[in-house]
Amino acid sequence: NAGVTQTPKFRVLKTGQSMTLLCAQDMNHEYMYWYRQDPGMGLRLIHYSVGEGTTAKGEVPDGYNVSRLKKQNFLLGLESAAPSQTSVYFCASSATGKVSEQYFGPGTRLTVT
Amino acid sequence: GDSVTQMEGPVTLSEEAFLTINCTYTATGYPSLFWYVQYPGEGLQLLLKATKADDKGSNKGFEATYRKETTSFHLEKGSVQVSDSAVYFCALSGFTGNQFYFGTGTSLTVIP
Repeated sequence: NAGVTQTPKFRVLKTGQSMTLLCAQDMNHEYMYWYRQDPGMGLRLIHYSVGEGTTAKGEVPDGYNVSRLKKQNFLLGLESAAPSQTSVYFCASSATGKVSEQYFGPGTRLTVT
Repeated sequence: GDSVTQMEGPVTLSEEAFLTINCTYTATGYPSLFWYVQYPGEGLQLLLKATKADDKGSNKGFEATYRKETTSFHLEKGSVQVSDSAVYFCALSGFTGNQFYFGTGTSLTVIP
């Protein structure tokens, strides 16, 4: 039981390049989330999904796209990376959305130069 | 909208000192409140939670009481250890939605 895993752990991109971050969970959770963590800003929700085939916008969705083709995977895409997207990205999953604890992945540190 | 405000750090304490990290919230309805901990190089882990007023969450010697009258959920520990060095996040889950709202985090360093 690996919990929530994220791939890759680190990445450096040049401005304008694209990439996809992969989140996988083996707990059969319905809900999955992508957050970004910036110094002094705490965690901010980018997008989330309430089930396979669904996605919804969070607090800071601009510049990102997501897909949930399989229940266990939640992909975060950057089509044209910008320096403002330099951040640590965390994926999380939960069994139910309202009051359950979220299980977080270890994070992906992305630098855009 | 819903939000969480927590005390700014960093906080440095000696081992066995008493810890308080303040957290206040703004929310409509009856939110659930959480404290998460992030150890160096790791993701966030749920430390404790409270789902209704006057509930006390506790774990690993940490406690926090959901105070609706003061809209607060302060984290306390009576005697900190070096292994408690981490970043602590207060969070809120709104009653009507699936979203979490996180505070900015408070970095704690405990020195021997």
